[in-house]
Amino acid sequence: KAGVTQTPRYLIKTRGQQVTLSCSPISGHRSVSWYQQTPGQGLQFLFEYFSETQRNKGNFPGRFSGRQFSNSRSEMNVSTLELGDSALYLCASSLDGGRNTIYFGEGSWLTVV
Amino acid sequence: GESVGLHLPTLSVQEGDNSIINCAYSNSASDYFIWYKQESGKGPQFIIDIRSNMDKRQGQRVTVLLNKTVKHLSLQIAATQPGDSAVYFCAENSGGNTGKLIFGQGTTLQVKP
Repeated sequence: KAGVTQTPRYLIKTRGQQVTLSCSPISGHRSVSWYQQTPGQGLQFLFEYFSETQRNKGNFPGRFSGRQFSNSRSEMNVSTLELGDSALYLCASSLDGGRNTIYFGEGSWLTVV
Repeated sequence: GESVGLHLPTLSVQEGDNSIINCAYSNSASDYFIWYKQESGKGPQFIIDIRSNMDKRQGQRVTVLLNKTVKHLSLQIAATQPGDSAVYFCAENSGGNTGKLIFGQGTTLQVKP
């Protein structure tokens, strides 16, 4: 059974550009969450999608957005990139969130220059 | 605000010894807790979880203890091996049926051969 798959694994962008990251959850999982990981702030929750609806949102500016498709695959977008957006972006999936085991992908490393 | 914190940033143990990693949480309403292991360059890997109606749960070489009275949980690793060297995170489900996790800062476990 395949795990959580994230693409691309590494990317470099310039300030002001925008980026889209993709996540394919474990088959059968309907909840997809996104996290940002930086050395200074640790792992921080961005948002969660369930059945194509955003169910929860963290404390990030509106430049960070996401969506979920009918097949549970999800994308997140960051517009007008800033240097501080450089981070590891992690996607996680679970059957339906809550008290079900949440599995993480390997992440997408974003560097903003 | 909500937070889950770790007492020690780095733990160094001898191979074969037992390791204990501690974590404090602040939200008394949290009812689900997870321990993750993260190796360099990889995403968090699920180790073990525990629900608030339990105070102990055992896995293969790992045990999680939950003390709701003092809002504390710990991860015990028996017979620590070099492959256990990683950063360990505790995570707290913020409550309700969502996939939002609040992570601790992480503890680096170093296993000396």
